[in-house]
Amino acid sequence: AQSVSQHNHHVILSEAASLELGCNYSYGGTVNLFWYVQYPGQHLQLLLKYFSGDPLVKGIKGFEAEFIKSKFSFNLRKPSVQWSDTAEYFCAVNGVDSSYKLIFGSGTRLLVRP
Amino acid sequence: DAGITQSPRHKVTETGTPVTLRCHQTENHRYMYWYRQDPGHGLRLIHYSYGVKDTDKGEVSDGYSVSRSKTEDFLLTLESATSSQTSVYFCAIRKKGQTEAFFGQGTRLTVV
Repeated sequence: AQSVSQHNHHVILSEAASLELGCNYSYGGTVNLFWYVQYPGQHLQLLLKYFSGDPLVKGIKGFEAEFIKSKFSFNLRKPSVQWSDTAEYFCAVNGVDSSYKLIFGSGTRLLVRP
Repeated sequence: DAGITQSPRHKVTETGTPVTLRCHQTENHRYMYWYRQDPGHGLRLIHYSYGVKDTDKGEVSDGYSVSRSKTEDFLLTLESATSSQTSVYFCAIRKKGQTEAFFGQGTRLTVV
């Protein structure tokens, strides 16, 4: 069965610090990978996605992620965080089957201090 | 905006009562999903649908049933609510030709 691991459950940073959130998945086949963000009290929004091609993908709000197939990883990065990046971040994967159902990691709560 | 409306947005119910949550979409998408969100677990798939009257179970389907009699509506029913079903429930759709899911605003359900 597919699974997704996010190793950092809580991260606290000061503004302008760099961010890297880890994500590892277990699935040997072709995958689509996603990072979603959930701001306090809101629904999930897509930050970025990878499905093929360049393993370095850029998303909204200055976020990027790198797909490393040999490590089954899809880490999220941002060079300089802002207070407004305070949110919960979820990594997700779907296998290329007919259901397109997403398997989510447990999430990382990011707090950015002004 | 994927045109998803969840209702109700908040509900408190008693243990043992049936509860139905509604997900309504306006764009005729074929795939619809119900997830629950709990601290430390992320989102877990309850059931999904790939068309009218076509549904399948997800990883946490026990105690839940679904129905999809029209393309636009996907209903989630808790047959006899338990305190362990206190959660935030999200509906999602997948647009044709895209790989990602788009989520509704969520329903916060409390079972007392």
